[in-house]
Amino acid sequence: AQTVTQSQPEMSVQEAETVTLSCTYDTSENNYYLFWYKQPPSRQMILVIRQEAYKQQNATENRFSVNFQKAAKSFSLKISDSQLGDTAMYFCAFLNTNAGKSTFGDGTTLTVKP
Amino acid sequence: GAVVSQHPSRVICKSGTSVKIECRSLDFQATTMFWYRQFPKQSLMLMATSNEGSKATYEQGVEKDKFLINHASLTLSTLTVTSAHPEDSSFYICSARGLNERGSDTQYFGPGTRLTVL
Repeated sequence: AQTVTQSQPEMSVQEAETVTLSCTYDTSENNYYLFWYKQPPSRQMILVIRQEAYKQQNATENRFSVNFQKAAKSFSLKISDSQLGDTAMYFCAFLNTNAGKSTFGDGTTLTVKP
Repeated sequence: GAVVSQHPSRVICKSGTSVKIECRSLDFQATTMFWYRQFPKQSLMLMATSNEGSKATYEQGVEKDKFLINHASLTLSTLTVTSAHPEDSSFYICSARGLNERGSDTQYFGPGTRLTVL
């Protein structure tokens, strides 16, 4: 079974600064995907970024980038130039391509302060 | 990006009634759909996984006779909460697995349904 751990229940950052959210996972699988989802107060889950396990290059999407360390089973999210709209709960997720279902971490509540 | 709709967005019902929630993938065919339950400030709890034309696979502890799932087509899955009770009050989220614009396997989420059972 896979597990996903987000060790930071809450974090805060000043507007325009950079923040890193941590995520570690445990699996014996070799083929999988990793995701970061954002859930704002509206509760709509929004895909922020995805990473295929077979790719060594870290994924980036505008102000969002990941540090994927496969051997260490670590998948952190870096948000640059934080904006007030980034305030949300962030979930790290692991998708087992063989089992076909995702495992989610407990989430990190991020508050961007003006 | 891919869109998943969910209807209704919120429902209030009396104890003992049944409630049906629809989940549709609007612009892609979903190989698999998932149903989650989420309590305030907590993570998503997977209830069941459904594939079109076959029976849903329920997670341990989820009553399949209580939460009926029908995956009628590649774009529609329904969750029926039968004989709802106040403890069933929660936020229910559906998700569909499909390919994104780059052809990569991705999971997309509906906006959720808030169920309140009086």
